[in-house]
Amino acid sequence: QLQLQESGPGLVKPSETLSLTCTVSGGSISSSSYYWGWIRQPPGKGLEWIGSIYYSGSTYYNPSLKSRVTISVDTSKNQFSLKLSSVTAADTAVYYCARSNPDFDYWGQGTLVTVSS
Amino acid sequence: EIVLTQSPGTLSLSPGERATLSCRASQSVSSSYLAWYQQKPGQAPRLLIYGASSRATGIPDRFSGSGSGTDFTLTISRLEPEDFAVYYCQQYGSSRGLTFGGGTKVEIK
Repeated sequence: QLQLQESGPGLVKPSETLSLTCTVSGGSISSSSYYWGWIRQPPGKGLEWIGSIYYSGSTYYNPSLKSRVTISVDTSKNQFSLKLSSVTAADTAVYYCARSNPDFDYWGQGTLVTVSS
Repeated sequence: EIVLTQSPGTLSLSPGERATLSCRASQSVSSSYLAWYQQKPGQAPRLLIYGASSRATGIPDRFSGSGSGTDFTLTISRLEPEDFAVYYCQQYGSSRGLTFGGGTKVEIK
């Protein structure tokens, strides 16, 4: 059974960079059929796609976040990562990683990241 | 960017009733790339429907999806207590843009 697990700091200061990693187990991130994505959800609000990556490193991002987002992959560790720069309180959210086909069929449990000084 | 508008925002129904949720796109969406998710409080979303009308693995047949072009519908034929949740539609476009709708909350009347 495929499992995804997000990890990273739960508190980030304004103007700093948010960094999260998603570890995939029970399957290979190098599968040719899938992309791997990040989605976030501010408290009490809806879902927002951040971006997705293929195991080769090919990426595509939400245009509204593109200038601040970098998604990378480490196939040797079966992980992919998110960096979001220059964060503000508006970036406070639960961040999910998920497998994309391009619908999202497997999700991590999510991790709350709060932006506050 | 394709904008997805879900209606109604909240649907108040009783167990056993039929729920009809709408997802309207600002421009035509390929049916192959329209999905529906269910989310319960404190949980990650769960894929219900992909390709506009195909049920994901393990999804009961009381859930069905339909539609094409700019208008899509998720129907729950008879609401069970565990079906009260928030539902989101999602599309993937030819320009590799991906968006979610704002969600419909199905609550117990």
